Amino acid sequence: EIVLTQSPATLSLSPGERATLSCRASQSVSSYLAWYQQKPGQAPRLLIYDASNRATGIPARFSGSGSGTDFTLTISSLEPEDFAVYYCQQRSNWPLRTFGQGTKVEIK
Amino acid sequence: EVQLVESGGGLVQPGGSLRLSCAASGFTFSSYWMSWVRQAPGKGLEWVANIKQDGSEKYYVDSVKGRFTISRDNAKNSLYLQMNSLRAEDTAVYYCARDSAMSDFDYWGQGTLVTVSS
Repeated sequence: EIVLTQSPATLSLSPGERATLSCRASQSVSSYLAWYQQKPGQAPRLLIYDASNRATGIPARFSGSGSGTDFTLTISSLEPEDFAVYYCQQRSNWPLRTFGQGTKVEIK
Repeated sequence: EVQLVESGGGLVQPGGSLRLSCAASGFTFSSYWMSWVRQAPGKGLEWVANIKQDGSEKYYVDSVKGRFTISRDNAKNSLYLQMNSLRAEDTAVYYCARDSAMSDFDYWGQGTLVTVSS
């Protein structure tokens, strides 16, 4: 089983600041990594797929990078609506899937 | 517009059964894998099961194997999850999601809550 470990668990930042979220895989997942955003009471929303491709309608301030075992989601300048929980997810052993435990981005 | 609408959640006793449904619209349902993903209260996301376009392949997370069955009816544009021998740890919001081999879970329903309690 591929385990995804996200860090930090919580990120406290102010609007306008840069957010850097990490996801580390227990073994290589190539570039088969996605990122999701989830706000309270809502379903998750796909942000990034294949490590660096923005999903339809996702603003350019969201970017993804990495390959193999180490991945990063960067939000270049936090907007008020970006405070949420973010999950990474791998499909290296598709059709099986695993998610990371999540990183909460909260207002400082 | 792609829409996924889950139904069938509710309160069930431990050991009981429940069948979830997901009605799909706005895309060619028979062309996509589909998945169920769950989220226990206050916890993270857990992929539960998925099914190939024609229903010929099905995969499950280990914790539900032998208890849950995923199925679909392409004529009705519907996805199902039959849940048997339910346990307290199955309590969660269950989401159906379009499962794209190219772009992961690109559309999600709003979820349906399953509570397993006596």
